[in-house]
Amino acid sequence: KAGVTQTPRYLIKTRGQQVTLSCSPISGHRSVSWYQQTPGQGLQFLFEYFSETQRNKGNFPGRFSGRQFSNSRSEMNVSTLELGDSALYLCASSLSGANYEQYFGPGTRLTVT
Amino acid sequence: DQQVKQNSPSLSVQEGRISILNCDYTNSMFDYFLWYKKYPAEGPTFLISISSIKDKNEDGRFTVFLNKSAKHLSLHIVPSQPGDSAVYFCAAHQGGSEKLVFGKGTKLTVNP
Repeated sequence: KAGVTQTPRYLIKTRGQQVTLSCSPISGHRSVSWYQQTPGQGLQFLFEYFSETQRNKGNFPGRFSGRQFSNSRSEMNVSTLELGDSALYLCASSLSGANYEQYFGPGTRLTVT
Repeated sequence: DQQVKQNSPSLSVQEGRISILNCDYTNSMFDYFLWYKKYPAEGPTFLISISSIKDKNEDGRFTVFLNKSAKHLSLHIVPSQPGDSAVYFCAAHQGGSEKLVFGKGTKLTVNP
């Protein structure tokens, strides 16, 4: 079974621009979560989608948004990029069952200059 | 306000010895705990988990212990191998949501 895939793997953007990241979950997984990882900060929860609905949201500004499609693929958008948005963005999928295990993709490394 | 804390940013052990990684939490609503391992340029990989109703879970060389009264869990790796060198994240699941709360990670180095 294929794992979680994320595209692109690397991205360089300029302040003020916007960016869209894509995530394809493991086949059969309907829950997709997004995390931001910055040096020394661990993984910060952005949001979680299930069946095209956002169920949970972290403490990030409204510039960060996402959506999920009927095939469970998800996209994350960041508008008006700031230097502090430079980070590794990780997507994770799960069966949304009792064990709560999430399976992560390799991430998208975003650099804002 | 950090609900999951890994107070040791790094840990270095000799091959063959025991590695003990610690994690503290503050939220009594956490009902499930997980450990992830992360290599550079890769996403975190699930390692082992434990429900809040248990105090120990073992999987091969990896054992997780949970002390609910102290709000503390630990991951034991015995024996440690150089391939275990990675960043280890502790994560907690809050009942009623799909959200995982992660600690900042501990970088484990196992020296040959």
